[in-house]
Amino acid sequence: GAGVSQSPRYKVAKRGQDVALRCDPISGHVSLFWYQQALGQGPEFLTYFQNEAQLDKSGLPSDRFFAERPEGSVSTLKIQRTQQEDSAVYLCASSLGTILDYEQYFGPGTRLTVT
Amino acid sequence: DQQVKQNSPSLSVQEGRISILNCDYTNSMFDYFLWYKKYPAEGPTFLISISSIKDKNEDGRFTVFLNKSAKHLSLHIVPSQPGDSAVYFCAASAEETTDSWGKLQFGAGTQVVVTP
Repeated sequence: GAGVSQSPRYKVAKRGQDVALRCDPISGHVSLFWYQQALGQGPEFLTYFQNEAQLDKSGLPSDRFFAERPEGSVSTLKIQRTQQEDSAVYLCASSLGTILDYEQYFGPGTRLTVT
Repeated sequence: DQQVKQNSPSLSVQEGRISILNCDYTNSMFDYFLWYKKYPAEGPTFLISISSIKDKNEDGRFTVFLNKSAKHLSLHIVPSQPGDSAVYFCAASAEETTDSWGKLQFGAGTQVVVTP
């Protein structure tokens, strides 16, 4: 497929469990972003990768959140010891990363519900 | 601290009429603005953008206007169609932020319903 894919689409976790969310960006896209979208809100920035380098993680809400992109393509967002406030849709976006291309292509998101 | 604000959570418009969505921002460093459209259970899709060096950008039925002095932008959809029913997000980026070039800050969204 040509678009950004994310898996799983839905995840239910019990409080305290660890979860891992996967993002497959568009092939060749240098930049990769993770966003968190709470119900009724817009997406909020979590972290940004340029190839395999994590250049900004200022949006990660706590040290329970960790993201990686070891080979500069697929990325994983990991949440340890999930809490109820982590319930949200997690969106991944990628872009070419060139100076003339701000457009980010979003995946369908992973809806995480922590019970 | 919400730097991008969409103060209208919803908008209802009749098919064929104009839809006007508004967005305000507070950060004067923002220099690129985008509108995204989102259907349920899908990710946002890019609609139209505008650079701060322009005050208008048009693409088919969609036009974005930027008023930098007022820190305000708007999206006009003319004519509105039932397929335009979706949530519309305004987003902004600061080009000079070299560490997070392209990082977007989003408004809360406006739900548009186009009635036949």
